[in-house]
Amino acid sequence: AQSVAQPEDQVNVAEGNPLTVKCTYSVSGNPYLFWYVQYPNRGLQFLLKYITGDNLVKGSYGFEAEFNKSQTSFHLKKPSALVSDSALYFCAVRDVRAAGNKLTFGGGTRVLVKP
Amino acid sequence: DVKVTQSSRYLVKRTGEKVFLECVQDMDHENMFWYRQDPGLGLRLIYFSYDVKMKEKGDIPEGYSVSREKKERFSLILESASTNQTSMYLCASSLLAEGVGELFFGEGSRLTVL
Repeated sequence: AQSVAQPEDQVNVAEGNPLTVKCTYSVSGNPYLFWYVQYPNRGLQFLLKYITGDNLVKGSYGFEAEFNKSQTSFHLKKPSALVSDSALYFCAVRDVRAAGNKLTFGGGTRVLVKP
Repeated sequence: DVKVTQSSRYLVKRTGEKVFLECVQDMDHENMFWYRQDPGLGLRLIYFSYDVKMKEKGDIPEGYSVSREKKERFSLILESASTNQTSMYLCASSLLAEGVGELFFGEGSRLTVL
């Protein structure tokens, strides 16, 4: 079985400050990890993914995430948050041995960036 | 541009009605998925399909069925809608290939069952 935990329902940050959204995962084997963002009344948009290789992954809109195998974490980060980053963020995992492309999503973290 | 289109953005139905949610993708993707999104629960997989006429149950298939008669179209069916099926429904597609491709999502269909 595979699962994802996003421990924070909401993260508040001032514009220009660093943003971190936390994610931990559980899989039987090795993971594929993803971050998606959802703006109001929209579908999810892909931000970045970790498959293999460098533990620091860079994605869209200046976001990056660090894979930490020992802590089973994949936290999303942005050095300087923008008001337009306010949205709902989802972490997702897939066990590399799982068939197809079946992802398991976390509960989501709402990010509010204040001017 | 990649596109996943869900036919209805907002629907209001009555308990016991049969509901069809349609999803079409124009990317020639093999995989298609139906998720429901509820606050605090994230996205939960209802059904997915690897190919035409193939379907697999996800984590919460009870009360739902699906149909995939053509590669580009994946329909979600609520045979007899109930109030606990009030939710946001998201369709997604991806390539089947051995590598890991990201999911492409539609805009969602918000269903209210009265």
